[in-house]
Amino acid sequence: AQRVTQPEKLLSVFKGAPVELKCNYSYSGSPELFWYVQYSRQRLQLLLRHISRESIKGFTADLNKGETSFHLKKPFAQEEDSAMYYCALTTAGGTSYGKLTFGQGTILTVHP
Amino acid sequence: SAVISQKPSRDICQRGTSLTIQCQVDSQVTMMFWYRQQPGQSLTLIATANQGSEATYESGFVIDKFPISRPNLTFSTLTVSNMSPEDSSIYLCSVWTGDGREQFFGPGTRLTVL
Repeated sequence: AQRVTQPEKLLSVFKGAPVELKCNYSYSGSPELFWYVQYSRQRLQLLLRHISRESIKGFTADLNKGETSFHLKKPFAQEEDSAMYYCALTTAGGTSYGKLTFGQGTILTVHP
Repeated sequence: SAVISQKPSRDICQRGTSLTIQCQVDSQVTMMFWYRQQPGQSLTLIATANQGSEATYESGFVIDKFPISRPNLTFSTLTVSNMSPEDSSIYLCSVWTGDGREQFFGPGTRLTVL
């Protein structure tokens, strides 16, 4: 069975500071990793996925299979980045493809 | 992309009663899911709703407690049966677009059981 761990429930930084939200996973097969974000009073939405290797709103995340990690990083945090962030995993193919396993979430607060 | 709506957005119910939550998608999708988010907890998958076949439930969830219907490719319902206060949660519907490899979520239904 797969598992996603986000060790920090709360993370506070000041505007302009770098931010890193940690995510570790356990899965014996080939995973697909995602970061989802939920802003205040909004629905959960996709931020980025490892297969796209993209940068969204200045955030990046690299899949490190050796360390089984998918940490989310941004060099200069902005106040509008304050939100709940979830790391999630699905299996790459097979009957469980599309079923997401979520981490516990990290509440990021960016202070002015 | 996919736009998802859910009804009701919230409800307060008495224990022992049942509530049916509706999920409507603006496009035809094969894979629909129901998640639960208990207070202070993360999202947990309840079941996969497949059109034309029985829903498949995750460990810890059973059809008698959470019956699901999927009459077509744009609609699904989840019923929370014989409710207890422990069922107080946010219930979310989602769809997976395999071609886009992205999951879209509905706004959620906030259920409080007294």
